[in-house]
Amino acid sequence: DGGITQSPKYLFRKEGQNVTLSCEQNLNHDAMYWYRQDPGQGLRLIYYSQIVNDFQKGDIAEGYSVSREKKESFPLTVTSAQKNPTAFYLCASRLTTGSSNQPQHFGDGTRLSIL
Amino acid sequence: AQKITQTQPGMFVQEKEAVTLDCTYDTSDPSYGLFWYKQPSSGEMIFLIYQGSYDQQNATEGRYSLNFQKARKSANLVISASQLGDSAMYFCAMREGRRDRGSTLGRLYFGRGTQLTVWP
Repeated sequence: DGGITQSPKYLFRKEGQNVTLSCEQNLNHDAMYWYRQDPGQGLRLIYYSQIVNDFQKGDIAEGYSVSREKKESFPLTVTSAQKNPTAFYLCASRLTTGSSNQPQHFGDGTRLSIL
Repeated sequence: AQKITQTQPGMFVQEKEAVTLDCTYDTSDPSYGLFWYKQPSSGEMIFLIYQGSYDQQNATEGRYSLNFQKARKSANLVISASQLGDSAMYFCAMREGRRDRGSTLGRLYFGRGTQLTVWP
């Protein structure tokens, strides 16, 4: 079955530690996205990418970094500079060719907490 | 300014009744798309329905329909014959631009969501 796989489902971070959230898709989608969800705030865009080796900052990129070395993979690193990382993180992908009504497809998310 | 506004933090509906979830949007782009997603308590985001700015008719997908009023910039989701499994958070989202031109890359702007509870 095609889809988006996020791992781990739960992640704990210690003070001063960088952690990496994995996002893999086998949908052959070009564009990939990372969102952060806090209670009562909806989804906010962190980073996005349309092609390999290219990505752009979203609305809340500070304290985060990404890479896009393969079309299928778009890992997100939460660095120690992100002072309030506790949130639910969602990865999404989208086919950018064809009809403009292509929706973003989402993974099941990763819940990150500070120890 | 908020691109997407959902003014109902919570809504309650009895099983088998219809319910409308409100969404208003703000854009100066003549070409845009509006999406609704459902998020159950487990966390995954499920795409429900899409409405394009140039679509002449309101979108429908099974029990979901979109009441699109372009002049009012509103795109309300109507769920008919509510079921207990419809209890979830619902998000309205907007994409601007027809074909990912410029640097937008088809990004979505989300509202804060409406928590729908269906009771028996």
